Amino acid sequence: TQLLEQSPQFLSIQEGENLTVYCNSSSVFSSLQWYRQEPGEGPVLLVTVVTGGEVKKLKRLTFQFGDARKDSSLHITAAQPGDTGLYLCAVSGGSNYKLTFGKGTLLTVNP
Amino acid sequence: EAGVAQSPRYKIIEKRQSVAFWCNPISGHATLYWYQQILGQGPKLLIQFQNNGVVDDSQLPKDRFSAERLKGVDSTLKIQPAKLEDSAVYLCASSLLPYEQYFGPGTRLTVT
Repeated sequence: TQLLEQSPQFLSIQEGENLTVYCNSSSVFSSLQWYRQEPGEGPVLLVTVVTGGEVKKLKRLTFQFGDARKDSSLHITAAQPGDTGLYLCAVSGGSNYKLTFGKGTLLTVNP
Repeated sequence: EAGVAQSPRYKIIEKRQSVAFWCNPISGHATLYWYQQILGQGPKLLIQFQNNGVVDDSQLPKDRFSAERLKGVDSTLKIQPAKLEDSAVYLCASSLLPYEQYFGPGTRLTVT
């Protein structure tokens, strides 16, 4: 059983469209992170959300942490080809802050 | 500031052969991680070092995988002997703060 369920698994859209991807769990987390991984590269941290109901914006990206701190969403406005990549959510646990990742959403933005 | 460096970037070996990967973390980062990312999956932590000591190796297949971080800086991850299911991208990450991990570009391993 996956700790974090991400949906959709694949998403292909046209430039300029809006999209939302989701990260869900039955567990409660103290914080949650979103990463973007471009082809041939390692994941890059986009944001950390820590408060239930929190909304953070990063240019055209809007991240929300659920009120119960069990789920999160990432909304991209007016997607661009440069947004193409694998979007991963991750949570940390234990005294060593071990990161556990979801399987990711593979986003393709076509010009 | 230089990022996490990894080499080689690509490696193709036959099953039962041995392979080693190298990682140079960001200068000053005490914590170093090795992850395995199988195609279609998120990264899975294999081993975590704090300086040159192992903090977590609970998911490292110790019968075939080994890792070391001599002098608390560079690290190597070895697989001996490799199996087909070891085909994956091996990512190295380092951190100064536990919530901020910086990843290298990874080594793509293909076992035939």
